[in-house]
Amino acid sequence: DTAVSQTPKYLVTQMGNDKSIKCEQNLGHDTMYWYKQDSKKFLKIMFSYNNKELIINETVPNRFSPKSPDKAHLNLHINSLELGDSAVYFCASSQESVFYEQYFGPGTRLTVT
Amino acid sequence: EDKVVQSPLSLVVHEGDTVTLNCSYEVTNFRSLLWYKQEKKAPTFLFMLTSSGIEKKSGRLSSILDKKELFSILNITATQTGDSAVYLCAVEAAGANNLFFGTGTRLTVIP
Repeated sequence: DTAVSQTPKYLVTQMGNDKSIKCEQNLGHDTMYWYKQDSKKFLKIMFSYNNKELIINETVPNRFSPKSPDKAHLNLHINSLELGDSAVYFCASSQESVFYEQYFGPGTRLTVT
Repeated sequence: EDKVVQSPLSLVVHEGDTVTLNCSYEVTNFRSLLWYKQEKKAPTFLFMLTSSGIEKKSGRLSSILDKKELFSILNITATQTGDSAVYLCAVEAAGANNLFFGTGTRLTVIP
């Protein structure tokens, strides 16, 4: 069984569009995260969310918004896509915001043309 | 500004060689340092270090932290082609969302 899954695996879209990436975890974890990894492999945390609070990295544009319909899901919505949004986006989960026990999803490669 | 710097950026070695990867950091309110291995997909966790001078070991991989000099090293002995990957160092600071990654070291092991 896949612990953390993301869909789609690849996403190609044009500038200005709005898109969503879905993430689901079946580990019963209470905290989920979104990361962005650019073409130089630089990984940066964007959000962490548990059932108590959403914590946003201050450098993330407000075009990005995470939405959690329930504890097992944290979807990423991106409005007005820009070329610089092209990256691999990883979802992850852990229990009680413990980073070293994070499980990462397989990633979604977003290409904005 | 908090930062994590890894060196070298890339490294090519032959099977059987021993490699040392470096990670230096300047992070306020240090909590822990994490090492990850990333092959084609998502990072996988290797080690977490919180105390200076205590070596963590897993098979041919080992790591140690120096909190005075603000760096860590990851050693891989008797390298194999399966060790080829990007190795990421990350430093966790106290507070939420405070996980800072380095740019990684790309290791290539050739037969």
